[in-house]
Amino acid sequence: QVQLQESGPGLVQPSGTLSLTCALSGGSTSSSYWWSWVRQPPGKGLEWIGEIYHSGSTNYNPSLKSRVTISVDNSKNEFSLKLSSVTAADTAVYYCARNGDSFRSYMDVWGRGTTVTVSS
Amino acid sequence: DIQMTQSPSTLSASVGDRVTITCRASQSISNWLAWYQQKPGKAPKLLIYKASSLESGVPSRFSGSGSGTEFTLTISCLQSDDFATYYCQQYNSYPETFGQGTKVEIK
Repeated sequence: QVQLQESGPGLVQPSGTLSLTCALSGGSTSSSYWWSWVRQPPGKGLEWIGEIYHSGSTNYNPSLKSRVTISVDNSKNEFSLKLSSVTAADTAVYYCARNGDSFRSYMDVWGRGTTVTVSS
Repeated sequence: DIQMTQSPSTLSASVGDRVTITCRASQSISNWLAWYQQKPGKAPKLLIYKASSLESGVPSRFSGSGSGTEFTLTISCLQSDDFATYYCQQYNSYPETFGQGTKVEIK
């Protein structure tokens, strides 16, 4: 049974870089799945950030594309999110998830989420 | 971007009620639509994909229908465990986008 676990700093300074990792257990990032990041600001809805395949192919939300990098480390069975030049608007719960059906897909397995606050 | 609009934003219902939530897309998305349930402090849980396919393990009281721009999620007989917020998601085109959510409350 695939499980995902997000980790990373809970507090990031404004203008800094948010860095999160999603560790996979019960499965492999090298399998034929795409892996996604989604975020949810406090009290608000869900926003898709981007996705990655084990080959390193990525797709990003254009609204964040200039600031986002998603990478994968198949040797560690994990994938990561970096978001640069953060502001208070980037405060959110960040989820990693597995795409249920290739790229541009619904998400069938989710991590528990990790809260990131942007504040000095 | 494709805008997804859910209605109502809040729904008050009782255990045993039949509940319907609507999701409208700003342009046709064929049947590339998913529904999720989210409870406070928890990650979203996939209920329905491809508009009407029930995810494994999800109770059969949940059903989805629609195509093009209008979709519905129906809970045939509301249970106490179903009080939550529900989101639709389109994955027809990038960027994938979600509805604003429908909160199902106890009446």
